[in-house]
Amino acid sequence: EAGVAQSPRYKIIEKRQSVAFWCNPISGHATLYWYQQILGQGPKLLIQFQNNGVVDDSQLPKDRFSAERLKGVDSTLKIQPAKLEDSAVYLCASSFSVHEQYFGPGTRLTVT
Amino acid sequence: GQSLEQPSEVTAVEGAIVQINCTYQTSGFYGLSWYQQHDGGAPTFLSYNALDGLEETGRFSSFLSRSDSYGYLLLQELQMKDSASYFCAVRDTNAGKSTFGDGTTLTVKP
Repeated sequence: EAGVAQSPRYKIIEKRQSVAFWCNPISGHATLYWYQQILGQGPKLLIQFQNNGVVDDSQLPKDRFSAERLKGVDSTLKIQPAKLEDSAVYLCASSFSVHEQYFGPGTRLTVT
Repeated sequence: GQSLEQPSEVTAVEGAIVQINCTYQTSGFYGLSWYQQHDGGAPTFLSYNALDGLEETGRFSSFLSRSDSYGYLLLQELQMKDSASYFCAVRDTNAGKSTFGDGTTLTVKP
């Protein structure tokens, strides 16, 4: 079974630029999550999708972050404009059962 | 608000047993999960407790006490490859949203 795929793996941008991350979940997993993980901290949920509907986006900074999951499969997370404090690893996860999440390798974002 | 507390670091020797504790205060509780994350890697699921008691999976066991808002991960027969960060995560909604702790870095020494 293929795992969660994410791209790119690394991205360096300047502040005020925009960036987009892509995630392809495990086939058949209806729930998809985007997390932000700052060095030394645990993953922080940004947004959770059930199929193509948003279940929770309470911690998504909506003035600069947006996410979509068209057709209930792939998802993209966008940041526009980026700030220095957005430097982090962005993790995508998917799940079939609510208590076990499968994480992708993440995208390491550096904002200079 | 939501808060989970774990020790930031634990050190143990190969072959030993180590316990990583997690206490939580969350607005909702449906279960406690544990994840392992190696440096530069993705978190991987280890175990889940929804009810009080001990769950055993090979060398790893996880315990939950809902009345004490407390759980722990027990790692036995430690191996060097167990050196990693361990996160507890509370599933705090029925829809599956989880809040993660800041992790415990386990260092296994020879």
